[in-house]
Amino acid sequence: AAGVIQSPRHLIKEKRETATLKCYPIPRHDTVYWYQQGPGQDPQFLISFYEKMQSDKGSIPDRFSAQQFSDYHSELNMSSLELGDSALYFCASSLRTVVNSPLHFGNGTRLTVT
Amino acid sequence: GDSVTQMEGPVTLSEEAFLTINCTYTATGYPSLFWYVQYPGEGLQLLLKATKADDKGSNKGFEATYRKETTSFHLEKGSVQVSDSAVYFCALSGGASGTYKYIFGTGTRLKVLA
Repeated sequence: AAGVIQSPRHLIKEKRETATLKCYPIPRHDTVYWYQQGPGQDPQFLISFYEKMQSDKGSIPDRFSAQQFSDYHSELNMSSLELGDSALYFCASSLRTVVNSPLHFGNGTRLTVT
Repeated sequence: GDSVTQMEGPVTLSEEAFLTINCTYTATGYPSLFWYVQYPGEGLQLLLKATKADDKGSNKGFEATYRKETTSFHLEKGSVQVSDSAVYFCALSGGASGTYKYIFGTGTRLKVLA
């Protein structure tokens, strides 16, 4: 079965650079979530989209922005990168019409800021 | 607000030992409860879920029962294997934070020795 696809798997950037992470949800899933997971930490919710509209906002820094496109893929744009942004970034998708539908996670993008 | 509390790890067991990872939650309403597992270098995978009180979720020998009276969702397995070594996250959705918000615990690392 198709899973959530994230690209790239690994990304190395320098401080103050920008990064773009991409997420392709499971086909027909209408909701995308972005999470940040620091070393040894639980996933922290950043932002979610439903039917291409922002649905919920968590602890996403103002330097970050995200959107969901007409084909339902989503991109997380990160600017003025800081050392503390080094983390695993996960995308997850679900089907909102199914009550309490579980999240399906991608394998993440590991961002290292040097 | 809603929250999930897990027992701290790491938990180290010998193969074929009995496993319990405690999870308690705080939420208003009737949240759904989930256990996710994360293997090294991978995203979180849904292990099991329960959507109402007294429901028992089960998968791959793991079980958890939704106990509303004790607000708990403890994960159990009768006989662990080395391949069960991973980080386990308890999560809820559908509480006061909203149906589509997922709250994760801090994760419990399990190490199974041969």
